[in-house]
Amino acid sequence: DAGVIQSPRHEVTEMGQEVTLRCKPISGHNSLFWYRQTMMRGLELLIYFNNNVPIDDSGMPEDRFSAKMPNASFSTLKIQPSEPRDSAVYFCASSAGLQQTEAFFGQGTRLTVV
Amino acid sequence: AQSVTQLGSHVSVSEGALVLLRCNYSSSVPPYLFWYVQYPNQGLQLLLKYTSAATLVKGINGFEAEFKKSETSFHLTKPSAHMSDAAEYFCAVRPYNTDKLIFGTGTRLQVFP
Repeated sequence: DAGVIQSPRHEVTEMGQEVTLRCKPISGHNSLFWYRQTMMRGLELLIYFNNNVPIDDSGMPEDRFSAKMPNASFSTLKIQPSEPRDSAVYFCASSAGLQQTEAFFGQGTRLTVV
Repeated sequence: AQSVTQLGSHVSVSEGALVLLRCNYSSSVPPYLFWYVQYPNQGLQLLLKYTSAATLVKGINGFEAEFKKSETSFHLTKPSAHMSDAAEYFCAVRPYNTDKLIFGTGTRLQVFP
């Protein structure tokens, strides 16, 4: 398996623009997580899905952020409109959904909003 | 809310010295615990995990961690540091009744020759 695949790896956009980050989880995994990593706040859980259903989105910063998982092999995280404070590395991770199993991380998307 | 606390945002050791990275969890029920490593510009990679079997867990790259319920700790150790161990290390907890994986703030390990 190729692991968790995120695209793009880098994104530079202007303030006010819409940004869409994409994630393909490992085949057979039924839990998917979106994290944001910054120097100031560390690694924050934004939202996680189980069997394509959002279970906990309490970490989503505000209404400008939205996430979807239309099927078991694809998820998106959208920011609209983007702001400079959204600049961070966004990670997607997936797991088999059993509590004792670890999450596998993608390489991340480095987002810069100017 | 259940969480993990990593003491020390930066740890520096000499090559060949003992590595000790501290992690304490808060939970009334022993959770599942994980240590991850992150190299620059990369994602997180699992080092080891505690899943209520053996309390001493061995991981990759010579690392191990011991689960101590009485101290609510899961400290990461390696007997002899290598230059290639320089990275950021994260402790994470999966509370007993949820699929969430909650991370500590991380500890950056520097290894000097």
